[in-house]
Amino acid sequence: GAGVSQSPSNKVTEKGKDVELRCDPISGHTALYWYRQSLGQGLEFLIYFQGNSAPDKSGLPSDRFSAERTGGSVSTLTIQRTQQEDSAVYLCASSLSSGNNPEQYFGPGTRLTVT
Amino acid sequence: GQNIDQPTEMTATEGAIVQINCTYQTSGFNGLFWYQQHAGEAPTFLSYNVLDGLEEKGRFSSFLSRSKGYSYLLLKELQMKDSASYLCAVTGFQKLVFGTGTRLLVSP
Repeated sequence: GAGVSQSPSNKVTEKGKDVELRCDPISGHTALYWYRQSLGQGLEFLIYFQGNSAPDKSGLPSDRFSAERTGGSVSTLTIQRTQQEDSAVYLCASSLSSGNNPEQYFGPGTRLTVT
Repeated sequence: GQNIDQPTEMTATEGAIVQINCTYQTSGFNGLFWYQQHAGEAPTFLSYNVLDGLEEKGRFSSFLSRSKGYSYLLLKELQMKDSASYLCAVTGFQKLVFGTGTRLLVSP
């Protein structure tokens, strides 16, 4: 079956512009996560959606970052007024309802470059 | 708070055995993952430990000691394709916290 897909694969934007990153999780997966990975660094948790519950936004670095998940499926991560330090790979992952084995399946990521 | 420590980089030769350690201090613990990540690619699942002990899966094994906050990933019969970053991640309170990863370089 299809895995997690993300679009665009690459995005170059000018400082100060807004960007939207899209994630299509695996069908049937109720949990969806966004991470950020800077060059040579580990994964930084951003936000977590679980079903219809309120999202866990504790990892969002500033109020310029927001995310939504429509209809419990597709998610969009929005970064407003982008800054150069926002340059990173943004990874989306999904999993079945976090239970005994909440293995996360990752998408290929979106490489964001802010010039 | 959350704190996960792994060595930054390790080197080994083809055919050898290597052990990658991970220590953690987290406010909640449900289980510990190991992921493999090749350069420029997304992480892929290797193992998930919930209970203490060793779990073996082919050339890869993962060990967990909850009382010590310690895990290791053991890779046997190393192959060149095993050159990658290995990420330790702890799940607690339904959130996955990653370490910075260990970059493994396998040489001929």
